[in-house]
Amino acid sequence: QVQLVESGGDVVQPGRSLRLSCAASGFNFNNYGMHWVRQAPGKGLEWVAFISYNGINKFYADSVKGRFTISRDNSKNTLYLQMNSLRPEDTAGYYCAKVATPYSNYVGFDYWGQGTLVTVSS
Amino acid sequence: DIQMTQSPSSLSASVGDRVTITCRASQGISNYLAWFQQKPGKAPKSLIYAASSLQSGVPSKFSGSGSGTDFTLTISSLQPEDFATYYCQQYISYPITFGQGTRLEIK
Repeated sequence: QVQLVESGGDVVQPGRSLRLSCAASGFNFNNYGMHWVRQAPGKGLEWVAFISYNGINKFYADSVKGRFTISRDNSKNTLYLQMNSLRPEDTAGYYCAKVATPYSNYVGFDYWGQGTLVTVSS
Repeated sequence: DIQMTQSPSSLSASVGDRVTITCRASQGISNYLAWFQQKPGKAPKSLIYAASSLQSGVPSKFSGSGSGTDFTLTISSLQPEDFATYYCQQYISYPITFGQGTRLEIK
């Protein structure tokens, strides 16, 4: 069965960096685009970034553009989110999510990970 | 950016009731609309994609409809496990955007 397991969340000071990982299993990771979505405590869902199945196409929310970088290692079935210049407003649970259709950039999600918590505080 | 507006923001209902949640897009999105359910402390769960198609394993008590700018999620015969927060999402263009959520509470 499909499993997405995020890791790397931590408490960090403003301005520091952090890298999140999402380990995928149960499907052919090479064929599917992947997203990061976050949720601040007590708030709604905010889309963060997308990467296509082959890593060529990447899209970012304006709130993270220039600070966060999405990447993937298809040989390791792992998705990453490199977060630099972290701000208190980046404090959130971060979820990875798989798209439902292979090779496509404009399709819905089907599976989500359980999330990893990032807290940015001095 | 496409804005997604859900109504109501919260809703009280009883077990056995049928409820409808509405989602409106700020511009036409064809049927590039999804619905998610989230329970406290848990990850979101995908319910519906392409406005009206059920994700695998989702019971038929959930149904979606609409196209263009106006969409609905209907849940029939509410059970205790259905009380959660529901989000709509458009994925026709980036940035992908979510509605603010509708909290469904037990009356």
